[in-house]
Amino acid sequence: TQLLEQSPQFLSIQEGENLTVYCNSSSVFSSLQWYRQEPGEGPVLLVTVVTGGEVKKLKRLTFQFGDARKDSSLHITAAQPGDTGLYLCAGDDFGNEKLTFGTGTRLTIIP
Amino acid sequence: NAGVTQTPKFQVLKTGQSMTLQCAQDMNHNSMYWYRQDPGMGLRLIYYSASEGTTDKGEVPNGYNVSRLNKREFSLRLESAAPSQTSVYFCASSDWVGGSSYEQYFGPGTRLTVT
Repeated sequence: TQLLEQSPQFLSIQEGENLTVYCNSSSVFSSLQWYRQEPGEGPVLLVTVVTGGEVKKLKRLTFQFGDARKDSSLHITAAQPGDTGLYLCAGDDFGNEKLTFGTGTRLTIIP
Repeated sequence: NAGVTQTPKFQVLKTGQSMTLQCAQDMNHNSMYWYRQDPGMGLRLIYYSASEGTTDKGEVPNGYNVSRLNKREFSLRLESAAPSQTSVYFCASSDWVGGSSYEQYFGPGTRLTVT
């Protein structure tokens, strides 16, 4: 069974600060996705990274896929209250359409 | 275009009762999924359907059955509910976006409590 561990599990920071959350595994994935989930709603896809070493930017969010395709990070610059939510990473096992989800990082941005 | 819809939004069952969770998508996706979400455990796959008429077990299938009624609808049935099945249930569908990459779209969830 493939496992994805996310750290930290909880993170609470002040508005305007920078932060990084991590997603780590001992398994190789063909691609890795990041989702954000708000209370009472389903997860919403933010980004998919496919190539080892790939970096994608989505406004203030920067996503990186590790060279060995076993890990990923999400960096948020100048965090805003609207960034509050549960961030989930999910790995794709070489296109079999079954994602393995990480344990999640619950982020709270304090105004 | 409603995306993925789920009913009901909330449900309380007594141990031993049965119920069916309904899911429908209007995006013409082939693949559909049922997940459960428990605190600190992310999302765990219960069942998966790659196309109409096919289903496959996921990580935690015990105590559940599914039916892929047609391309749009995928239902999840609890035959005899147990307190361990208290959870939030999400339905999702997916579409290929090129190469080996695909995107999953989730419904709003069903919050189930078994007493």
